[in-house]
Amino acid sequence: GNSVTQMEGPVTLSEEAFLTINCTYTATGYPSLFWYVQYPGEGLQLLLKATKADDKGSNKGFEATYRKETTSFHLEKGSVQVSDSAVYFCALSDGASNFGNEKLTFGTGTRLTIIP
Amino acid sequence: DTGVSQDPRHKITKRGQNVTFRCDPISEHNRLYWYRQTLGQGPEFLTYFQNEAQLEKSRLLSDRFSAERPKGSFSTLEIQRTEQGDSAMYLCASSWGPGGYTFGSGTRLTVV
Repeated sequence: GNSVTQMEGPVTLSEEAFLTINCTYTATGYPSLFWYVQYPGEGLQLLLKATKADDKGSNKGFEATYRKETTSFHLEKGSVQVSDSAVYFCALSDGASNFGNEKLTFGTGTRLTIIP
Repeated sequence: DTGVSQDPRHKITKRGQNVTFRCDPISEHNRLYWYRQTLGQGPEFLTYFQNEAQLEKSRLLSDRFSAERPKGSFSTLEIQRTEQGDSAMYLCASSWGPGGYTFGSGTRLTVV
């Protein structure tokens, strides 16, 4: 079955540091890949996505590239801010489920704390 | 677009009681999902609706759980005879097609 393995946290960085959160996946076929973010007290928000190999998703300074050869989708940001403190989830959808079901398989999440 | 609304935000119940949660999706979204998230874990898929039809249920959804989406609009998730292991955040999400959902803020259930 599908699975997502995510870098364990928590991760603590100083403001303006470079961020990488690793994510690898196992799936049949050609999944779509996502990063979701959960700010304290809020619901999950889609941060970025990539639907095919070599696609790069980007949003709010975050980037992730769909690497089929290494089955990875690592999240990066060049200079983090205190406001980036949140829990980050890597997820995949194989899109091959019945009746248009785009159910997501999530990793366990990585808690990121940025200190001033 | 008012987002996905879930009610209540928090629910504390005694073991053995029944509880029901409501989800109001974005109005033009025909697909609706329920997920469960326990502490320190990522969300896990429970069930999927397309319009009013429940088309897939996870094996996580025991026979104490039932979900409905009458008329293809709002959805309810009922848990009968709650157990302490049911304590979790229950998330609802909706979409109109592939490419990512909109999640609600969730209902946090605590069974005491």
